[in-house]
Amino acid sequence: QKEVEQNSGPLSVPEGAIASLNCTYSDRGSQSFFWYRQYSGKSPELIMSIYSNGDKEDGRFTAQLNKASQYVSLLIRDSQPSDSATYLCAVDQGGTSYGKLTFGQGTILTVHP
Amino acid sequence: DAGVIQSPRHEVTEMGQEVTLRCKPISGHDYLFWYRQTMMRGLELLIYFNNNVPIDDSGMPEDRFSAKMPNASFSTLKIQPSEPRDSAVYFCASSFGGQGYGYTFGSGTRLTVV
Repeated sequence: QKEVEQNSGPLSVPEGAIASLNCTYSDRGSQSFFWYRQYSGKSPELIMSIYSNGDKEDGRFTAQLNKASQYVSLLIRDSQPSDSATYLCAVDQGGTSYGKLTFGQGTILTVHP
Repeated sequence: DAGVIQSPRHEVTEMGQEVTLRCKPISGHDYLFWYRQTMMRGLELLIYFNNNVPIDDSGMPEDRFSAKMPNASFSTLKIQPSEPRDSAVYFCASSFGGQGYGYTFGSGTRLTVV
């Protein structure tokens, strides 16, 4: 079973701090990695994608990928209360399972004023 | 584009009844996915289609579940007969090009089987 594991939450950070969310995956053939944000009672929303080793920045969000360690992370700088949500890591299956993503269990983030 | 459209938003049904969930993907997207989300198990892939053809239904829990995609703009997920353990939020998602592209999710259908 190809797995995606996320750091157990919930994670609570003060407003303005950096929130760090982590994810590991088991399939070395995976090539595409995504972070989704899900507000309570809503559907997951794609916020970041990363395909190459290193960092990718988009506004206050930075995704980091290390394929050798099979590790992907999401940093949220200057965290705001509106960032409070569940963050889901998703990894493509690779190989013959073209187009199929596996999701982690999610990390609940709370940003308190 | 209106995004991925699911109906109904909420469904309450009695055990043993048939339930049909509907999904309209984003126009031009060639992949369609059905997921189920519960607190205990998170997001689980049930089945996915490419160009209206089912590719992988290994996540379908049992024969009570079936899914169809008769054309590029419509898909259904049917549960017959429904059971209380089927209570969950069911999401439909679509994407273009498969691998390397993120999904766009619909708003979901919250199913309660009593």
